[in-house]
Amino acid sequence: DGGITQSPKYLFRKEGQNVTLSCEQNLNHDAMYWYRQDPGQGLRLIYYSQIVNDFQKGDIAEGYSVSREKKESFPLTVTSAQKNPTAFYLCASGRPGTGSGANVLTFGAGSRLTVL
Amino acid sequence: ELKVEQNPLFLSMQEGKNYTIYCNYSTTSDRLYWYRQDPGKSLESLFVLLSNGAVKQEGRLMASLDTKARLSTLHITAAVHDLSATYFCAVDMRGSGATNKLIFGTGTLLAVQP
Repeated sequence: DGGITQSPKYLFRKEGQNVTLSCEQNLNHDAMYWYRQDPGQGLRLIYYSQIVNDFQKGDIAEGYSVSREKKESFPLTVTSAQKNPTAFYLCASGRPGTGSGANVLTFGAGSRLTVL
Repeated sequence: ELKVEQNPLFLSMQEGKNYTIYCNYSTTSDRLYWYRQDPGKSLESLFVLLSNGAVKQEGRLMASLDTKARLSTLHITAAVHDLSATYFCAVDMRGSGATNKLIFGTGTLLAVQP
């Protein structure tokens, strides 16, 4: 079945450590996204990528980094520069364009990061 | 900067009642999405609204879009407990020059009481 796989599902990190969250999709989607969700709040865009080897900052990119070396993969690194990284992180993918199915995002199950 | 606001943020309603969730956005867009999120889970796509006047219905949920008013509504008819979840609208920023970038609203937590 096609879908998005995020790992790990739960992650604990000590302050000062970098961690990388994995996101893999087999939907053949060109665009991939990372969102952050805090309790009781909406989703905020961290980074997005529309093609391989290219990505753009979202609204809250500071303290995060990404890479897009393969179409299927869009890992997110939470660096020690991120002041408040405890959150639920959601990866999504979609097909850019103007057709009726364009940009209907498929989401992964999420990764919950807790900083100790 | 595009802002997407939903109201109410929290809605407690009785089974069998009707209610509407509102989604306002601050800049031009002709494409709006509705998603559902169950507690601790990921998001599931509900509706895609592609033009002014678009209306989509699935079961007890009906979504509409008025691009001139920059408003979308999600109407719930005869609510049942299974509809309890958080509902998000999301706006495509294509109209603002940033292609394929979705901005999400704050979400509406719906609790349907027996």
